[in-house]
Amino acid sequence: EIVMTQSPATLSVSPGERAILSCRASQSVSSNLAWYQQKPGQAPRLLLYGASTRATGIPARFSGSGSGTEFTLTISSLQSEDFAVYYCQQYNNWPYTFGQGTKLEIK
Amino acid sequence: QVQLMQSGAEVKKPGASLKVSCKTSGYTFTGLFIHWLRQVPGQGPEWMGWINPNSGDPEYAQKFQGRVTMTRDTSTRTAYMEMRGLRSDDTAVFYCASGLTPYFEHWGQGTLVTVSS
Repeated sequence: EIVMTQSPATLSVSPGERAILSCRASQSVSSNLAWYQQKPGQAPRLLLYGASTRATGIPARFSGSGSGTEFTLTISSLQSEDFAVYYCQQYNNWPYTFGQGTKLEIK
Repeated sequence: QVQLMQSGAEVKKPGASLKVSCKTSGYTFTGLFIHWLRQVPGQGPEWMGWINPNSGDPEYAQKFQGRVTMTRDTSTRTAYMEMRGLRSDDTAVFYCASGLTPYFEHWGQGTLVTVSS
């Protein structure tokens, strides 16, 4: 199965600053990558799919890039509601697999 | 709007079986696959498989093959996930999610399952 590795495990950023989260796949997943945001006690929320397409209702400050094995999620100007855990997921191969997450915390 | 409502939290003993339900509304039930995922506390979600509500055909991740059964009842618009032979490391939140695509836009609220003697 494809292993998804996210870095860093924890990222401390001040509100209003930019956050850059990374996700690496153990083999190419083309652009079949999604990003999710999860807050405590809630289900994950789909942010992006196709590596860079925002899901319905997702603000433009969330953007994604990459293809193959290296991907990036950028949050351009952090708002208070953006502090959460973020997961990447590949859906190029069965079984679909997720990374272990990056916790974005307030600096 | 698409809504998925899961059954409540459960406490099970090792070796027991579990059945979680996922009642849907707001869309044509047979039009979207239902996926099941597991999330152990502190870890990323883990995809378990899906069921095609139209045909009733499931597909399971190899890790869960033989231990999990996914079914659906079209009359009540409800999907079910049954897991047998529970172990302590099955303690997790189980989610259903719906969609035509293998990424997940609509999720249930989650069902916490605790396996403990």
